[in-house]
Amino acid sequence: NAGVMQNPRHLVRRRGQEARLRCSPMKGHSHVYWYRQLPEEGLKFMVYLQKENIIDESGMPKERFSAEFPKEGPSILRIQQVVRGDSAAYFCASRSAGGEGEQFFGPGTRLTVL
Amino acid sequence: GESVGLHLPTLSVQEGDNSIINCAYSNSASDYFIWYKQESGKGPQFIIDIRSNMDKRQGQRVTVLLNKTVKHLSLQIAATQPGDSAVYFCAERRNQGGKLIFGQGTELSVKP
Repeated sequence: NAGVMQNPRHLVRRRGQEARLRCSPMKGHSHVYWYRQLPEEGLKFMVYLQKENIIDESGMPKERFSAEFPKEGPSILRIQQVVRGDSAAYFCASRSAGGEGEQFFGPGTRLTVL
Repeated sequence: GESVGLHLPTLSVQEGDNSIINCAYSNSASDYFIWYKQESGKGPQFIIDIRSNMDKRQGQRVTVLLNKTVKHLSLQIAATQPGDSAVYFCAERRNQGGKLIFGQGTELSVKP
């Protein structure tokens, strides 16, 4: 019973490049959340998606960041024209439609911007 | 503003002792709380949750206490083991299905 999967686990980009992070939720889960974690800090909510819909993007920066969760395939968090301040660990979590609220997290993608 | 904070950033205990990790939350409208454990280089791992209509919930070696009067949450770990060493986060949810708001974290260190 696979958990939440994220890839790549580590991603290195130069300033100005694009970063594309993927998240496959647990089997049967249709709700996906993205969080960002800076070193020595807690996780900060970015965006909440259901299949083909963005439910809450209140934590997403207005520019350069976008997210999608298509009908088929993984959820994608895309960061265009990365800057050094984007360096962080990005975690995806999923839950089932009828779930109490517990969100199950993936191992994260550690993005380093040079 | 929004915040879920922790009283202590680090906690060191002897193996076999009980650990208590505390958390203060700011929004009395939060209806659901979760404790997560995060080991170095890994994602947060669910430990235990509690709804706002409860004041205590027990799991295997862990107990969560909720005091809504003072907006305080605690995680008790019985007979702490070296494998319990990690950073522990509390998180609150403001509405069903919604985002989680995390505290800063407490690093638990277990001495053999």
